[in-house]
Amino acid sequence: GAGVSQSPSNKVTEKGKDVELRCDPISGHTALYWYRQSLGQGLEFLIYFQGNSAPDKSGLPSDRFSAERTGGSVSTLTIQRTQQEDSAVYLCASRLAGAQSTDTQYFGPGTRLTVL
Amino acid sequence: SQKIEQNSEALNIQEGKTATLTCNYTNYSPAYLQWYRQDPGRGPVFLLLIRENEKEKRKERLKVTFDTTLKQSLFHITASQPADSATYLCALDPHNQGGKLIFGQGTELSVKP
Repeated sequence: GAGVSQSPSNKVTEKGKDVELRCDPISGHTALYWYRQSLGQGLEFLIYFQGNSAPDKSGLPSDRFSAERTGGSVSTLTIQRTQQEDSAVYLCASRLAGAQSTDTQYFGPGTRLTVL
Repeated sequence: SQKIEQNSEALNIQEGKTATLTCNYTNYSPAYLQWYRQDPGRGPVFLLLIRENEKEKRKERLKVTFDTTLKQSLFHITASQPADSATYLCALDPHNQGGKLIFGQGTELSVKP
């Protein structure tokens, strides 16, 4: 079966533009996570979806960031009015069960965002 | 404040030796601690998970220890190979956080032939 896929793999945009990043999780996985990895840094949690519950948005750095998950599957992370500090690799991960468990998270390859 | 730290400097070792990577944390009470491998341009890949009530876990050439008193995990790769060269990330899975992981910054391992 296919793993987690993300698109585009690379995105270059100009400051002030909006961007959308897409994540296709593993089929049947109920939990989906977005992380951000800046150069030389560890992964930083952004947002978490579990089934039909309201998402945990506690990691979003500003109100320019938003995400949705349609039909419990595909997720889109939107960054409005991009800033240079938004440049990073955005990683998506999915997990079979969202409740605390030993199910591992499977990561996609990431989208490298560069804001000029 | 809450913090998770890994060896900040890259680790260079000779093929066949044991690599030991350190992960220290403060002000967390993790239910689980996980180790991931990340290659350049790729997402992290899960390696091992250890529960808070476990002291040690092994998988092939990998061994993880977890000391919740010291708030430290050690990750060992025995009989290391050049193919083990990568960045290794530790991640905490705190209680009641829905599985959202808190990552260290990673340690870059280079195994020379």
